Amino acid sequence: KNQVEQSPQSLIILEGKNCTLQCNYTVSPFSNLRWYKQDTGRGPVSLTIMTFSENTKSNGRYTATLDADTKQSSLHITASQLSDSASYICVVSALRSNTDKLIFGTGTRLQVFP
Amino acid sequence: GAVVSQHPSWVICKSGTSVKIECRSLDFQATTMFWYRQFPKQSLMLMATSNEGSKATYEQGVEKDKFLINHASLTLSTLTVTSAHPEDSSFYICSAPRGGWGTEAFFGQGTRLTVV
Repeated sequence: KNQVEQSPQSLIILEGKNCTLQCNYTVSPFSNLRWYKQDTGRGPVSLTIMTFSENTKSNGRYTATLDADTKQSSLHITASQLSDSASYICVVSALRSNTDKLIFGTGTRLQVFP
Repeated sequence: GAVVSQHPSWVICKSGTSVKIECRSLDFQATTMFWYRQFPKQSLMLMATSNEGSKATYEQGVEKDKFLINHASLTLSTLTVTSAHPEDSSFYICSAPRGGWGTEAFFGQGTRLTVV
C-alpha cells in the first residue's frame, strides 16, 4: 500500500531557530517527492520537487534531502521566521500513465513563536 | 508563474441545495485537473481526476452522482456538490499539473464549503 508518513505531527520552535521535518514513504513506482507549505485555509504551495537521482535541493531557507534507498526525506528550515508557521506536507508521486498520482502525508504543523 | 484560481473561496448553502466550485488554470492549459477534499487537521484526500473532454475518474468511495465534475475546456474544471448535506462541509481544493510526470502541480486557494 502506498503510504507517506511524517514526523513530528506538530512542532513549536522559537523564531530564528532551525528545525528538521521527516518523511518516510512506501510508494511504488516512485516518480518524485515534493514538499509543500500550506497556510491555514489556503491551498498548498510548492517548496521543492526531487527526483530519484537528487539528494539535496534548496529553496531559500528550505533545504530538502532525499534518500531513495531508505525511502526517507527531510525538510530543514533555517533561521525560522514567524511566517514559517504553517503545515508542511510531504507528497510522493507514484507514476501513473502520463501523469503523477500524488500520495499525501498527513503533514507537520509548525508553529514559530517570537 | 503559473497560477490556478479557484472560486469561490468560501460558500455557505442550505442543506439540499447544489453548489458549484470553479477551478481555472490562468496561464497554462491543463488537460488534467485534480479535486481534493480536506477535513480539519487532516491531509488532502483525492476525490477525482478531471479529464478535459472526457469523463472524470473517481476515487473509491466517492459518489460520482453527488460530486459532478465537468472539464469542458483546457483551462476550466468545475465541481458541483449536489443535494449538499452538512457532512459535505469541508475544504475543497483543486490542482493542475502544468505538464506530464515530474512537473509542478499548482493548487487553487481552496473553497471552504459550509452546509447548514
